[in-house]
Amino acid sequence: GDSVTQTEGQVALSEEDFLTIHCNYSASGYPTLFWYVQYPGEGPQLLFRASRDKEKGSSRGFEATYDKGTTSFHLRKASVQESDSAVYYCALKSNYQLIWGSGTKLIIKP
Amino acid sequence: GGIITQTPKFLIGQEGQKLTLKCQQNFNHDTMYWYRQDSGKGLRLIYYSITENDLQKGDLSEGYDASREKKSSFSLTVTSAQKNEMAVFLCASSLDRGPSGNTLYFGEGSRLIVV
Repeated sequence: GDSVTQTEGQVALSEEDFLTIHCNYSASGYPTLFWYVQYPGEGPQLLFRASRDKEKGSSRGFEATYDKGTTSFHLRKASVQESDSAVYYCALKSNYQLIWGSGTKLIIKP
Repeated sequence: GGIITQTPKFLIGQEGQKLTLKCQQNFNHDTMYWYRQDSGKGLRLIYYSITENDLQKGDLSEGYDASREKKSSFSLTVTSAQKNEMAVFLCASSLDRGPSGNTLYFGEGSRLIVV
């Protein structure tokens, strides 16, 4: 069946560091891909999505490019801030469901 | 803007007890969902509903019942609470029938504690 893999369970960075969170997927065709962010005590909220090969999604300084060749949708940000501390989920649409990755917790070190 | 309200925020019950979580949305969305979130794991779909009185099972429906008696509300019942299913339960809604590219809006979650 369709699946989403996030390899990093946790990432610890200092402010202004460059962020990469890896997301690879397994699905046929061109599924819509999503990045959601979940702050403590809240439900997940959509960062952005992409539906076509080479499409770039972006929001709040975060971006990811849909890559059909490598089946990836890696999340990047050039300079992280303390307010970016959260859990980030990659997901894909499969039929009427969203298939979720296991999430990556971003910790910003003081 | 709209909001999704989940009650209660913390639900404490004994093993074997039937426990119910409630969710209300004022987005006027068609589709509503219940997800379970375990620490270190992704969200897993328990039930969803594309309209009033409709129910569709997700991957994790065993041990749960759901009810969509009106468009704005969706309840989830744990039929016999077990300690290994202590988790956060998230309710969500979306405008379209199924998350076909449309955004899911989530509530803040309800934490189940089994004593």
